[in-house]
Amino acid sequence: KAGVTQTPRYLIKTRGQQVTLSCSPISGHRSVSWYQQTPGQGLQFLFEYFSETQRNKGNFPGRFSGRQFSNSRSEMNVSTLELGDSALYLCASSFQSTREGEQYFGPGTRLTVT
Amino acid sequence: AQSVTQLGSHVSVSEGALVLLRCNYSSSVPPYLFWYVQYPNQGLQLLLKYTTGATLVKGINGFEAEFKKSETSFHLTKPSAHMSDAAEYFCAVGSNYQLIWGAGTKLIIKP
Repeated sequence: KAGVTQTPRYLIKTRGQQVTLSCSPISGHRSVSWYQQTPGQGLQFLFEYFSETQRNKGNFPGRFSGRQFSNSRSEMNVSTLELGDSALYLCASSFQSTREGEQYFGPGTRLTVT
Repeated sequence: AQSVTQLGSHVSVSEGALVLLRCNYSSSVPPYLFWYVQYPNQGLQLLLKYTTGATLVKGINGFEAEFKKSETSFHLTKPSAHMSDAAEYFCAVGSNYQLIWGAGTKLIIKP
C-alpha cells in the first residue's frame, strides 16, 4: 500500500498570505489528523476529520481550517499567515478511531513564513 | 484532562548500552498507549502500542515497553543501543478522539 503523501513538501510564504496543504491518506483509512510541529511547542494537534466531518479540534485560532473530501483526502488552510506559523505540518491517517488505532504519518510539509 | 510526561528532553547513551526512555500518563481508565519515533526530516513512525492484554509490549527495531498501571507508566527500553536509534521518541495516550502527546525525548547515541 502507498503511504500517506503530503504536498507540497516545502513552502515559503509571506506574512499575510494564505496557504493550502494537501494530504492523501492510506487507501481505506477514513480518519485524517493534522499536527503542527515546532521546536518550541513540540507536536500540537490541529484537528481530525473522519468521513468528511471534523470530529475533534485543537486549540488553534480560526485562521486554521480544514476539510476532508469523499475520497478521504484532506486539505488544511491557513489564512493571514504569521511568522509564528512557520512549522512542520504533519498529516496522519488511521483506519480506526484515532484513540485506539495507530496513526500513519506523512513526511510533512515544511512551511516557512517570511 | 489527560496529560503525558516524558522525563528528559534529551537522553544520551553509549552505543551498546541500555536505552530507557520514560513516559508517565494521567488516566483514570485503562488507556491506549503508543510510542512513536521520528528520524530527522521524516514523519513519525509507530514503534509499538498497548491496548489490552500482556503488559510487556514488543515493537520494531528491538524496542519494548512495559505498561505499569500502578505507576501510570509506559517506559520504552532497548537492551543495546545502536547508532541508527538516534532519533526523537514520542509517547502518546489515546483519549476521546485524539492522541495526547508527550513533548518528546531526543535520543543521542555516543560512539
